[in-house]
Amino acid sequence: DIVMTQSPDSLAVSLGERATINCKSSLSVLYSSDNKNYLAWYQQKPGQPPKLLIYWASTRASGVPDRFSGSGSGTEFTLTISSLQAEDVAVYYCQQCYSTPLTFGGGTKVEIK
Amino acid sequence: QVQLQESGPGLVKPSQTLSLTCTVSGGSISSGSYWWTWIRQPAGKGLEWIGRIYTSGTTNYNPSLKSRVTISVDTSKNQFSLKLSSVTAADTAVYYCARDRGVGHYYFDYWGQGTLVTVSS
Repeated sequence: DIVMTQSPDSLAVSLGERATINCKSSLSVLYSSDNKNYLAWYQQKPGQPPKLLIYWASTRASGVPDRFSGSGSGTEFTLTISSLQAEDVAVYYCQQCYSTPLTFGGGTKVEIK
Repeated sequence: QVQLQESGPGLVKPSQTLSLTCTVSGGSISSGSYWWTWIRQPAGKGLEWIGRIYTSGTTNYNPSLKSRVTISVDTSKNQFSLKLSSVTAADTAVYYCARDRGVGHYYFDYWGQGTLVTVSS
């Protein structure tokens, strides 16, 4: 299984400031045949299902604000919220889409400082 | 707009079989190259992929649960189902159904709201 490790477990950021979440995979999720990183990011608010934010490591899903961005390749990835808004308080998960069993990181809780 | 809705008992006794159904609306479960997936989340914890089914009936299961899991599809009802046998308290979780975008993707773009299943006598 590909193990996904997120850091930090939680972070508190002031409104309007940048939030950065890291995700490492135990194996590369870069698929050589299409040069895509099979890595997705989700946002989960309390009592709600996860919502897809980013796929292929850096492509925003439909309707996702452009303050959310993803970067990285191979085994190291980052989700950045460029200017934190109150509605961004949530837990964020990364997921490798490279091989089964599909696996998620442990989550990063983002709060307002 | 595709919508998914889980249904099934909220309470299951230990050693019994958990059975859930996901009803898909807003599109045919047979159209497109999607995998239909079950994911669970114990309270306050992370997400665990249980398995998925293609409309052809092909399945993939998490090896950690494979001996106890069966996922099936009923295209006539636009539904897919999960059965998890020999449940214990460790199987208590919110169970989500989701759509996996399939080849070249394998991420989840539509999710049900989730249903809490408690394993207790």
